[in-house]
Amino acid sequence: IAGITQAPTSQILAAGRRMTLRCTQDMRHNAMYWYRQDLGLGLRLIHYSNTAGTTGKGEVPDGYSVSRANTDDFPLTLASAVPSQTSVYFCASSDSGASTQYFGPGTRLTVL
Amino acid sequence: AQSVTQLGSHVSVSEGALVLLRCNYSSSVPPYLFWYVQYPNQGLQLLLKYTTGATLVKGINGFEAEFKKSETSFHLTKPSAHMSDAAEYFCAVSPARAGGYNKLIFGAGTRLAVHP
Repeated sequence: IAGITQAPTSQILAAGRRMTLRCTQDMRHNAMYWYRQDLGLGLRLIHYSNTAGTTGKGEVPDGYSVSRANTDDFPLTLASAVPSQTSVYFCASSDSGASTQYFGPGTRLTVL
Repeated sequence: AQSVTQLGSHVSVSEGALVLLRCNYSSSVPPYLFWYVQYPNQGLQLLLKYTTGATLVKGINGFEAEFKKSETSFHLTKPSAHMSDAAEYFCAVSPARAGGYNKLIFGAGTRLAVHP
């Protein structure tokens, strides 16, 4: 069982470029989340999805979009990357009946 | 609004010494409380959580935490530190609700260093 996989592991991106971070889970969890981790700020929620077909905004959604076409996949898209989006991005999932979130290994993104 | 404060961004202990990582929260309703650990270049791993019931919660790797409602605290402890405990630790809070999505609010993290 892989749990949650994220791709790519790391990426260097020119400002203004479009980028999609991929996240796949094999636990059949209904809820999925995207966080960014920045030094001194902990993890902040970008977007979430309660179930396939629905999404919602978290604490820092500006500049990001998500989609949830099926249960397993929850891609995060940066339409036009800016340097302030340099961060480590974590995808997580949880069962709808539980509060524990399980995290992927992260994607380190650098926007120049 | 809920928030989490972790006192001390860096904590350093000697191997075999007591580990104490502090976490205070603010919440208008009784929350769920979590401690996660992050080893270098890895994702977050759940150490332990408090939902209801016994206020002293035991987790993996010998860690435990006690929920003190009167102090709005959920401090993490381990009686004897091991070199392998060196990592970053995050306290998080979530509204106590059944079903659906549970938003986690994280503290800024505490980096634990363990010296020989």
